[in-house]
Amino acid sequence: DTAVSQTPKYLVTQMGNDKSIKCEQNLGHDTMYWYKQDSKKFLKIMFSYNNKELIINETVPNRFSPKSPDKAHLNLHINSLELGDSAVYFCASSQNRGTSGANVLTFGAGSRLTVL
Amino acid sequence: KNQVEQSPQSLIILEGKNCTLQCNYTVSPFSNLRWYKQDTGRGPVSLTIMTFSENTKSNGRYTATLDADTKQSSLHITASQLSDSASYICVVRGTSGGSYIPTFGRGTSLIVHP
Repeated sequence: DTAVSQTPKYLVTQMGNDKSIKCEQNLGHDTMYWYKQDSKKFLKIMFSYNNKELIINETVPNRFSPKSPDKAHLNLHINSLELGDSAVYFCASSQNRGTSGANVLTFGAGSRLTVL
Repeated sequence: KNQVEQSPQSLIILEGKNCTLQCNYTVSPFSNLRWYKQDTGRGPVSLTIMTFSENTKSNGRYTATLDADTKQSSLHITASQLSDSASYICVVRGTSGGSYIPTFGRGTSLIVHP
């Protein structure tokens, strides 16, 4: 059973289009994340939801809109795609226990977005 | 500002050799440090976690060390195998405020040649 699954794995689209990437976790975790990995392999956090509530919103263009219908799902919708949006997007989840921080991130396999 | 710096940026070694990857951080107050391994085309997977009181922890051929005073960690790989070729990412969490958000290093790309 896949712990964190995201779809699609590959997405090729034209500039200006709107697209969505879906993520689901079956681990019972209360927190989900979206990360963007650029061509230099640096993982940068975009959003985090805890129990469907947005808790982290880094400096991301408002063309990116996360949606969490329940705590097992966190989808990412991108409007008016630009060339610079081309990257691999990773969904992750964790169980946040107090402030210990000893909560491992479980990542999905990634969704490679290519904007032409 | 919370930062995590890793070195070297990339490393090429021969199969069977040992290597050590470095991670320096400024995250404060410190909670824990994790090393992740990211294979090509996959998401990162946790290798080991180090908390404030731990100096050394092993996971098979991987040994992580932590010096909380100097804010440095290392990941030592013994008797490298071709399957060790991957990116190794150091991730540090604090205990409060913005430091609670995990801070990622840029990773070290390791290539193991036969």
